[in-house]
Amino acid sequence: GIQVEQSPPDLILQEGANSTLRCNFSDSVNNLQWFHQNPWGQLINLFYIPSGTKQNGRLSATTVATERYSLLYISSSQTTDSGVYFCAVGYNNDMRFGAGTRLTVKP
Amino acid sequence: KAGVTQTPRYLIKTRGQQVTLSCSPISGHRSVSWYQQTPGQGLQFLFEYFSETQRNKGNFPGRFSGRQFSNSRSEMNVSTLELGDSALYLCASSLEAGGPDTQYFGPGTRLTVL
Repeated sequence: GIQVEQSPPDLILQEGANSTLRCNFSDSVNNLQWFHQNPWGQLINLFYIPSGTKQNGRLSATTVATERYSLLYISSSQTTDSGVYFCAVGYNNDMRFGAGTRLTVKP
Repeated sequence: KAGVTQTPRYLIKTRGQQVTLSCSPISGHRSVSWYQQTPGQGLQFLFEYFSETQRNKGNFPGRFSGRQFSNSRSEMNVSTLELGDSALYLCASSLEAGGPDTQYFGPGTRLTVL
């Protein structure tokens, strides 16, 4: 089956810093999404981005489907950005998640 | 608008029992998806329902089933519970299915199987 790998697994930043999270996948996919799970467990859908680039405030995402990767950019990070970021790909009527990147933003 | 609600929030069962979890989507949303989250396997997709029909299904045994009612509320059922079914079960709703509509997640039901 398809493999979804996220890097880095852990990331510690100082408030105000920028970061790039990566998601690699091993096969062609129907769609790709990014999610954020905050420290209290609430999951939030950030982007639906099977290809191209989208921006929402300080967050933006780019998916290059032909090269099988997606990037999530976080600029001017805030402590509220802490949590785990997951990418998920749609594949054969299934959805596969990566293991996540745990982001800690320190004040 | 009320968010996605899941009941119950916590549940303790013993092996061999069955359990039913409920999810009420945001008003007007017709798609409901279910996910399982465990420390070992991470987040896994269970199934997606749209207009009372299952559209997609993840790689789970037949003990896991679900349904959606005409008011878009959804239930999932796990029969013959195993220890490994202990997990946080999340549901999410969206306007339409399988597309760019944002999914909104409920707080989850934490199931413990003893």
